[in-house]
Amino acid sequence: KAGVTQTPRYLIKTRGQQVTLSCSPISGHRSVSWYQQTPGQGLQFLFEYFSETQRNKGNFPGRFSGRQFSNSRSEMNVSTLELGDSALYLCASYSGRTTDTQYFGPGTRLTVL
Amino acid sequence: QKEVEQDPGPLSVPEGAIVSLNCTYSNSAFQYFMWYRQYSRKGPELLMYTYSSGNKEDGRFTAQVDKSSKYISLFIRDSQPSDSATYLCASGGFKTIFGAGTRLFVKA
Repeated sequence: KAGVTQTPRYLIKTRGQQVTLSCSPISGHRSVSWYQQTPGQGLQFLFEYFSETQRNKGNFPGRFSGRQFSNSRSEMNVSTLELGDSALYLCASYSGRTTDTQYFGPGTRLTVL
Repeated sequence: QKEVEQDPGPLSVPEGAIVSLNCTYSNSAFQYFMWYRQYSRKGPELLMYTYSSGNKEDGRFTAQVDKSSKYISLFIRDSQPSDSATYLCASGGFKTIFGAGTRLFVKA
């Protein structure tokens, strides 16, 4: 079974630009969560989508948004990029079964100059 | 106070040592406990997952949960240079909260 895939793997943007990151979950998984990982703050939860609906949201500004499509693929958008948005953005896929857990993708490394 | 606290290290040990990694959590409603390993430039991968207090063993890895003291541990026996990575503890109920991660270096 293929794992979680994220594209692109690396991205360089400048302040003020916007960016869209993509995540394809494990086949059959309907939940996708997004996390931001930085050396100072660790892994921070952005939001979770389940069956195209945002089910949970972390404490990030409205510049961070996401969506999920009917095939469970998800995109995350960050508008008006700031230097502090430089981070590894991780997507995690979850089947929804209580005995299961999240499986992470390799991440997208975003650098904002 | 963060809901899951973890010493970021780094922790450096010689090959063959027993490694002890620890976390504390604050929310007594947390129902599950996990350890992830993350190599450089990779996403976290699940190592251990448990619901209950007590020990869970998988090869050289043992996860220990003490719900009464809200303490989570991961022990690595006969540590290898390939174990060098960042180890993240996680806990949660409806959503998962991660610790900051501990960087481990195992020297040959």
